[in-house]
Amino acid sequence: DAKTTQPTSMDCAEGRAANLPCNHSTISGNEYVYWYRQIHSQGPQYIIHGLKNNETNEMASLIITEDRKSSTLILPHATLRDTAVYYCIRRRTGNQFYFGTGTSLTVIP
Amino acid sequence: DTEVTQTPKHLVMGMTNKKSLKCEQHMGHRAMYWYKQKAKKPPELMFVYSYEKLSINESVPSRFSPECPNSSLLNLHLHALQPEDSALYLCASSPFGRGDTEAFFGQGTRLTVV
Repeated sequence: DAKTTQPTSMDCAEGRAANLPCNHSTISGNEYVYWYRQIHSQGPQYIIHGLKNNETNEMASLIITEDRKSSTLILPHATLRDTAVYYCIRRRTGNQFYFGTGTSLTVIP
Repeated sequence: DTEVTQTPKHLVMGMTNKKSLKCEQHMGHRAMYWYKQKAKKPPELMFVYSYEKLSINESVPSRFSPECPNSSLLNLHLHALQPEDSALYLCASSPFGRGDTEAFFGQGTRLTVV
């Protein structure tokens, strides 16, 4: 989805927080923001999702701006196993998941 | 069981061959999806099935023919493919119509067209 853009790549030191931004400036009011990650061309794995409010689960936190035009995925304590490609996704009505451009995150020892 | 199972894992086919990819889930999900992923690119939505009926076709060439024979099974029939169709094909499923539930993805079929 060309309307959902992410930085191409990022590095993060092991043990530090990784903050991955996503721009979805044309998102509609009823579209959810989802985050998935993909390791070594395996199937994408679900991380977290949200609509308007910030969300937290055992894996990550999701911060959505008040105008909903952007969001940030936060991995609080990155480990080497978090090295992956992270996708920000818009879930539209009609059961459509459209992937953003993706960020390749490298966690450095 | 929260798995989406795709077979085969790898497939090599000639441009004149006919082959099929298979996807199966037993989570009771009534929405199922096919995605195509080229190397170093994000997955691109191809088809969406809702309650076993095709609801979304993202202008996919007719050499790709999807089929949903029942609520657990999704097939993708391939015919007269081109080398540029070589990619990872991903299947996914989700509960129908609920924006607040995630999709589950299979591990994909790596297709090579020679």
